[in-house]
Amino acid sequence: EVQLVESGGGLVKAGGSLRLSCAASGFTFSNVWMNWVRQAPGKGLEWVGRIKSKTDGGTKDYAGTVKGRFTISRDDSKNTLFLQMNSLKTEDTAVYYCTTDSEYFDVLTGSQRMLDYWGQGTLVTVSS
Amino acid sequence: QSVLTQPPSASGTPGQRVTISCSGSRSNIGSNNVNWYQQLPGTAPKLLIYSNNQRPSGVPDRFSGSKSGTSASLAISGLQSEDEGDYYCATWDDSLNSPLVFGTGTKVTVL
Repeated sequence: EVQLVESGGGLVKAGGSLRLSCAASGFTFSNVWMNWVRQAPGKGLEWVGRIKSKTDGGTKDYAGTVKGRFTISRDDSKNTLFLQMNSLKTEDTAVYYCTTDSEYFDVLTGSQRMLDYWGQGTLVTVSS
Repeated sequence: QSVLTQPPSASGTPGQRVTISCSGSRSNIGSNNVNWYQQLPGTAPKLLIYSNNQRPSGVPDRFSGSKSGTSASLAISGLQSEDEGDYYCATWDDSLNSPLVFGTGTKVTVL
């Protein structure tokens, strides 16, 4: 059974830093692309970023709202995904979810992807 | 603000059919497949539909998806009380700094 367990959330002041972790089990973590998605209180979902598997280059992509402040990394030996958040702003207050990112093929559009498993989330609150 | 537009709310009585639209553009829905996510109250989102109209294992066939041009739709047939929650479309955008975009979300209420 796939399990994703986020941790590391909490209360931090604006300008501060926080590191989130996501412990994965039930699948071969090193082979899987991973994402972070966040949800501000009472709001919709916002993609934060993703990291590809090392075999696919380990490339990282970020949303424009966090680029330069957040860094995604992974430790395949510990089946763990990380999100280092620096220069935090009050608008970064949200529940942060880690997700798996799996590929499938469509005859018309070719390679496509889906966020197929989600953790339960961890709350980050940034105060002013 | 999201580039995928959904109606903020939809409702129906038990057994009815409810449809949720997701409107995008050529660079996102027009070029890529659409996935749908269900978020029940107090829980994490869950993949409901992928590749426009495919259901992951365990998702009831009451849920169906479709895509045409730059729009997509999610239909819930035989609405049940446990379907009450938020629904989000998502796809990739070939033109933005954020490759993955979510819809604005639709709250489904079972009357």
